[in-house]
Amino acid sequence: GAGVSQSPSNKVTEKGKDVELRCDPISGHTALYWYRQSLGQGLEFLIYFQGNSAPDKSGLPSDRFSAERTGGSVSTLTIQRTQQEDSAVYLCASSLGRLAGGSSTDTQYFGPGTRLTVL
Amino acid sequence: AQKITQTQPGMFVQEKEAVTLDCTYDTSDPSYGLFWYKQPSSGEMIFLIYQGSYDQQNATEGRYSLNFQKARKSANLVISASQLGDSAMYFCAMNTGNQFYFGTGTSLTVIP
Repeated sequence: GAGVSQSPSNKVTEKGKDVELRCDPISGHTALYWYRQSLGQGLEFLIYFQGNSAPDKSGLPSDRFSAERTGGSVSTLTIQRTQQEDSAVYLCASSLGRLAGGSSTDTQYFGPGTRLTVL
Repeated sequence: AQKITQTQPGMFVQEKEAVTLDCTYDTSDPSYGLFWYKQPSSGEMIFLIYQGSYDQQNATEGRYSLNFQKARKSANLVISASQLGDSAMYFCAMNTGNQFYFGTGTSLTVIP
C-alpha cells in the first residue's frame, strides 16, 4: 500500500514487559512522527525524526521510551518495563518535508495506529 | 499557552445540513500552516484540508472548506451537505517553525 503502515495493530502485554512498535512511513517521506493517544483524549507528541538529523525527543514521557529510525525509513518505538498508564493508541505519521511552517509538504499522514494494552 | 483552541467538545448536525467547527490559533510567526484531520471511530487520523498562512484564498476540498480569518486567528472547518459518515472527531492543527500542535478535538454527530 501507499500509506503509512504500523504493526502490530493490537498488542496486549503484561506489566513490566518490553514492547516494540513498528512504523513504515510513506516512501519518500523524510519526516516521521510518533504520537500517543489515550482513550478519548487528544494527541500527545512523542518524538520526531527528520532525515539524518538528531531526533526531537522532547515529548518522550520517560527514559523507558526510546525510538530509532533505520536508514531514514522504518521506525521502531520501544517501551521498556511497561506500566498500565502506557496503555494507549500509538500513532505514527510521516510527511514529505521537514517542519518549516506554512508549507503543504508539512502535512502529516497517519498510520492506523497500534493499540497497546498493559495488563 | 494553548496554541490551538477548539471550544466545541461536541456538535450535532442534521444530515444534509452544513456545519462549522471552530478553531482558533495562537502564533507570532508569520509563516505557519493550518490543518484539519478527521478521526472516525476506527481510530485512523485522516487528513482533510490544509491552509498556508500566505494563501490568499480559503482552501477547499470537496465538501470541506476552511474559513481562514487571519486577523482573528481563526481557521474554522465548514462541512457542507453533512453525511452520516461525517460523524467523527475532528482535530485542528497548526505547524510553525519546527513544532506541530493539535487541538483537543470536536466530536461531530450527524443525525439522520
